[in-house]
Amino acid sequence: AQSVSQHNHHVILSEAASLELGCNYSYGGTVNLFWYVQYPGQHLQLLLKYFSGDPLVKGIKGFEAEFIKSKFSFNLRKPSVQWSDTAEYFCAVTSNYGGATNKLIFGTGTLLAVQP
Amino acid sequence: DTAVSQTPKYLVTQMGNDKSIKCEQNLGHDTMYWYKQDSKKFLKIMFSYNNKELIINETVPNRFSPKSPDKAHLNLHINSLELGDSAVYFCASSSSGTSGEYQETQYFGPGTRLLVL
Repeated sequence: AQSVSQHNHHVILSEAASLELGCNYSYGGTVNLFWYVQYPGQHLQLLLKYFSGDPLVKGIKGFEAEFIKSKFSFNLRKPSVQWSDTAEYFCAVTSNYGGATNKLIFGTGTLLAVQP
Repeated sequence: DTAVSQTPKYLVTQMGNDKSIKCEQNLGHDTMYWYKQDSKKFLKIMFSYNNKELIINETVPNRFSPKSPDKAHLNLHINSLELGDSAVYFCASSSSGTSGEYQETQYFGPGTRLLVL
């Protein structure tokens, strides 16, 4: 079945710690990968995306993610988190499997809490 | 200037009522979506319209009826509201690209928090 998995449901870090959030997908066809962030009470904002080319993509606010095709993974990283990074992080995928519909399939999200 | 806007932001209503949520985008996109985020923060697509044509319907109960009067608007009408409809509903939009490519980025609205009592 087509799915997106985020194994870390809750992550608690101190400021300046490094962050890595896991994302794995199970899809056929060509995939496009996204990380969205949802700050408390706010809407989803795009952090970064991968369509093709360099598998290491850089996004806003110092975030980056690496697409590893052989591992079906697209992990999100940040070398030093800040208190303002406290939010819910969603990995998402679109795929041309079964037709091109641009349907975003989301993971279950990871709640990151950064302690000052 | 809000790119994707939704009204209302909050909606509290009784079971059995009928309600509508409106969405408008000023990005010039031709594809719009409705997503539902449940109490566990899980996001799932409900509908998608491209140039006012329905292209995705994810087996949502027929109490939910989307309507797209033009490509900048996608409204969601819900009949006979049930407790399980309580959720945050997000509208999103994207461009389909010059060749109908599927890879365009979706931009989300602020969400409508629906509470059914």
